[in-house]
Amino acid sequence: GAVVSQHPSRVICKSGTSVKIECRSLDFQATTMFWYRQFPKQSLMLMATSNEGSKATYEQGVEKDKFLINHASLTLSTLTVTSAHPEDSSFYICSPGGVGYGYTFGSGTRLTVV
Amino acid sequence: GNSVTQMEGPVTLSEEAFLTINCTYTATGYPSLFWYVQYPGEGLQLLLKATKADDKGSNKGFEATYRKETTSFHLEKGSVQVSDSAVYFCALSPMENNDMRFGAGTRLTVKP
Repeated sequence: GAVVSQHPSRVICKSGTSVKIECRSLDFQATTMFWYRQFPKQSLMLMATSNEGSKATYEQGVEKDKFLINHASLTLSTLTVTSAHPEDSSFYICSPGGVGYGYTFGSGTRLTVV
Repeated sequence: GNSVTQMEGPVTLSEEAFLTINCTYTATGYPSLFWYVQYPGEGLQLLLKATKADDKGSNKGFEATYRKETTSFHLEKGSVQVSDSAVYFCALSPMENNDMRFGAGTRLTVKP
């Protein structure tokens, strides 16, 4: 089945710094990657959709300049949280779009901004 | 629009008790329906899914039936174990190659 590798699993950063989260599709090519965010004890909310070779689309209320998404190849999508603040502390998780990919998710990245 | 309403928790059961977690949905068209499980500190694992009306998804003793007439996809297990303690999310995807809409999640604690 489809395997998605997400790194890092945990990261602690200082306010004002940037953090990059990677999602790699290991045994398939993902033209689309969905990025979700989960605040503590809450559900997952779609943040944005990345598409290989084109600009990402963002959900309402998500700042595209703050959450930079790059999908430069069919096996790698990245989410960069720029100028991170404590309110950005959350669990970020990716999931490939595509027929037959089993609706799998990456293992998630827990970001803590101090 | 597409949305999922899930029974709020937390739910606390004794081992071997019967579990039901209610889930209803609103969708245009014919979505696929899912249950995911999230263990503490971990990501999401697909528990089961159903892609059309009257389909029954099942896995690890859990099952759910896609009921179009009641727009429901309730999760059931006949005899829960301590190891089933986790957060359970009901979700729908409007079509393949599309994103998920999640319910709020239900935290289940099973006591020995």
